[in-house]
Amino acid sequence: DTAVSQTPKYLVTQMGNDKSIKCEQNLGHDTMYWYKQDSKKFLKIMFSYNNKELIINETVPNRFSPKSPDKAHLNLHINSLELGDSAVYFCASSQWLAGDLGTDTQYFGPGTRLTVL
Amino acid sequence: QKEVEQNSGPLSVPEGAIASLNCTYSDRGSQSFFWYRQYSGKSPELIMFIYSNGDKEDGRFTAQLNKASQYVSLLIRDSQPSDSATYLCAVNHSGGGADGLTFGKGTHLIIQP
Repeated sequence: DTAVSQTPKYLVTQMGNDKSIKCEQNLGHDTMYWYKQDSKKFLKIMFSYNNKELIINETVPNRFSPKSPDKAHLNLHINSLELGDSAVYFCASSQWLAGDLGTDTQYFGPGTRLTVL
Repeated sequence: QKEVEQNSGPLSVPEGAIASLNCTYSDRGSQSFFWYRQYSGKSPELIMFIYSNGDKEDGRFTAQLNKASQYVSLLIRDSQPSDSATYLCAVNHSGGGADGLTFGKGTHLIIQP
């Protein structure tokens, strides 16, 4: 069974379109994340959710809107796509136990390669 | 600005030798440290985590942490061609909760047969 899954794997679209990426985890984790990996392979946190609540919102344009219908799902909707949005987007999850360092290990999904033309 | 620095490489190591990967971080209060391996076109895969000063061994991999020097390293013994990948150092600054990881830009490791 896939622990963290994302759909679609590839997404090619035109500038100005709106698109969504879905993420699901079956690990029973409380926390989910979105990361962006740019063309130089630099991986950067975008958002984190804990039990459906937004915890981290890094300096990401408000065209990006995460939504967590339940703690097993975290979707990413992007409005008015721009060329610079082309990247690989990774979903991740973790189950942090207070006082237990190491349980903050994050497990990554397979990624969604977004290409904006 | 919390930063994680790695030499981007490529680091070329002969098969069977020890590969040594290094990472420094700027936030002295950082709590936990991770090494991920990423093959081209794939997602990051956890190799090891460490949060106490000293060495932690797992098979052919040894992670080393020195909080005073703000330095983390990964040693790969008996390097194999399948170890060729990009190795990402990641830091959790607060040690838990829903914090994201701060990643370095990765070191590209090439194991020469």
